[in-house]
Amino acid sequence: QQPVQSPQAVILREGEDAVINCSSSKALYSVHWYRQKHGEAPVFLMILLKGGEQKGHEKISASFNEKKQQSSLYLTASQLSYSGTYFCGTARMDSSYKLIFGSGTRLLVRP
Amino acid sequence: EPEVTQTPSHQVTQMGQEVILRCVPISNHLYFYWYRQILGQKVEFLVSFYNNEISEKSEIFDDQFSVERPDGSNFTLKIRSTKLEDSAMYFCASSDLGLGEQYFGPGTRLTVT
Repeated sequence: QQPVQSPQAVILREGEDAVINCSSSKALYSVHWYRQKHGEAPVFLMILLKGGEQKGHEKISASFNEKKQQSSLYLTASQLSYSGTYFCGTARMDSSYKLIFGSGTRLLVRP
Repeated sequence: EPEVTQTPSHQVTQMGQEVILRCVPISNHLYFYWYRQILGQKVEFLVSFYNNEISEKSEIFDDQFSVERPDGSNFTLKIRSTKLEDSAMYFCASSDLGLGEQYFGPGTRLTVT
């Protein structure tokens, strides 16, 4: 039932790009992206809704393929501050107040 | 900038004891959530709460758990009889819209001995 994230881990050099994927076997109402640094709370990055609406931070971009129930988070020109664990959370059409998180993608950006 | 606050930051309790974790959501938010995260693992949904009642709950949220909004500002999670496996970080979150962006509090680390 939980969404599947890939890859599990990524190591980048500062300035490089990365794509993190999230897929679900169920029909989704929305996909949420969060970043969590070690010992801290998850921080909201982006929400993508069925129908195309999306809201999030200016420097973050993401897509939501409703037919495939897949979402991708695009991190471009990565900075050291991008390091952390990225979680996608999905809400199903029949359970829209319940956000289920994937296992996370660990991103490390090196100088 | 408004933020979600949680108290205490760390709670140590003995197995079988009751604990109450407290949260103050962002003031104009109407939807409230509890999540837990076992060390090194993913964030797990526990419960969502709106209009003074539970909207959704997970399989984890059994009869040992309860939530309450005792006044206009606090949102609490009670665990009646703690077990060793309840040891985790518990996060409260709130949103202004149902499943709009959720803002997480800093968490309460619960250690059950």
